[in-house]
Amino acid sequence: DGGITQSPKYLFRKEGQNVTLSCEQNLNHDAMYWYRQDPGQGLRLIYYSQIVNDFQKGDIAEGYSVSREKKESFPLTVTSAQKNPTAFYLCASSITGFGNQPQHFGDGTRLSIL
Amino acid sequence: AQTVTQSQPEMSVQEAETVTLSCTYDTSESNYYLFWYKQPPSRQMILVIRQEAYKQQNATENRFSVNFQKAAKSFSLKISDSQLGDTAMYFCAFMTAGGGNKLTFGTGTQLKVEL
Repeated sequence: DGGITQSPKYLFRKEGQNVTLSCEQNLNHDAMYWYRQDPGQGLRLIYYSQIVNDFQKGDIAEGYSVSREKKESFPLTVTSAQKNPTAFYLCASSITGFGNQPQHFGDGTRLSIL
Repeated sequence: AQTVTQSQPEMSVQEAETVTLSCTYDTSESNYYLFWYKQPPSRQMILVIRQEAYKQQNATENRFSVNFQKAAKSFSLKISDSQLGDTAMYFCAFMTAGGGNKLTFGTGTQLKVEL
């Protein structure tokens, strides 16, 4: 079945450590997105990519980095510069070129500070 | 920049009853798209319904329908014959046409369906 796979489901970060969240999709979608979800704040866009080897900052990109070397993969690195990384992270993908195409989401990764 | 406001943090409804969740948005764009997503306790985001701004007819999907008032910038979700499985967080989301398919989300409404 086609879908989006996020791993790991739970992740713990030590102070000063960088951690990477994985997102893989087999839907053949061009665009991929990373969101952060905090209680009471909905989903906020971190980074997005519409094509391989290209990506743009979202609303809250500081302290995060991404890469898009393959169409299927869009990993997110939470760097030590992100001082409040505890949150639920969601990856999504979509078809581009048609504005009403919905985003499809993975099951998320919960990141916590040790 | 677009903003999406959901003014009801929590709502409850009796099973088999009807409930309406409110959403308003602010934009200067004329062409855009609106969505309702559902997030059950499993945390998976599930598309419920979508509406194109250029369409006057309100979208419907089985027990789910919207009341889209473009002039008022309002996009409410009506759930008929509520079921226990409808218990979830509901998010309203906005997408600008030609904006890279980016979504702007509201803060969500937690809906609880009770026996």
